[in-house]
Amino acid sequence: DIQMTQSPSTLSASVGDRVTITCRASQSINIWLAWYQQKPGKAPKLLIYKASSLESGVPSRFSGSGSGTEFTLTISSLQPDDFATYYCQQYNSYPLTFGGGTKVEIK
Amino acid sequence: QVQLVESGGGVVQPGRSLRLSCAASGFTFRRYGMHWVRQAPGKGLEWVAVLSYDRTDEHYADSVKGRFTISRDNSKNTLYLQMNSLRAEDTAVYYCAKEASMVRGVSNPYFDYWGQGTLVTVSS
Repeated sequence: DIQMTQSPSTLSASVGDRVTITCRASQSINIWLAWYQQKPGKAPKLLIYKASSLESGVPSRFSGSGSGTEFTLTISSLQPDDFATYYCQQYNSYPLTFGGGTKVEIK
Repeated sequence: QVQLVESGGGVVQPGRSLRLSCAASGFTFRRYGMHWVRQAPGKGLEWVAVLSYDRTDEHYADSVKGRFTISRDNSKNTLYLQMNSLRAEDTAVYYCAKEASMVRGVSNPYFDYWGQGTLVTVSS
């Protein structure tokens, strides 16, 4: 199984900050990676697919990059609505696996 | 608009069974692979199972293999998860999730729509 490791697990930031979250795969997954945002009590929301493709309707301050085993999600200027938990997910092979999550908190 | 509505959750004793349903609308259900993903209280997301659009291909997480069965009725636009021999560690919110569109006949098993989830609690 492919293990997905996210870092950091918690991140404290202020509105306007540039935020970067890292996701590492235990083996190459090419570009088959998605990012989701989840708020408490809600279902996850797709942000990025194919490592760097922005889902329709998602603000352009979100961007993704990487390939192989190392990926990043960047929020260029953190907004109040962005305080949430973020997950990466590999879809290179079954079983599909998620990272452990990164909680973005208000500093 | 796409809607996925799960039902069937509740409190069940260890070793017993439960069947979850997910009613889909707003898209052509029979053309998409469908998944179940769960989230234990205060924990991260765990993928559970997938069934292809035509029911020819299915996969399970090791943690549920042999105990859970995914199925679908394309005439009713409904996805199911039959959960047998339930354990305390199966306690979670279970989400039904729609797979993204195929590209050149190849599936893309990431999730562009999710249901609101249904809570399953396994406890004596």
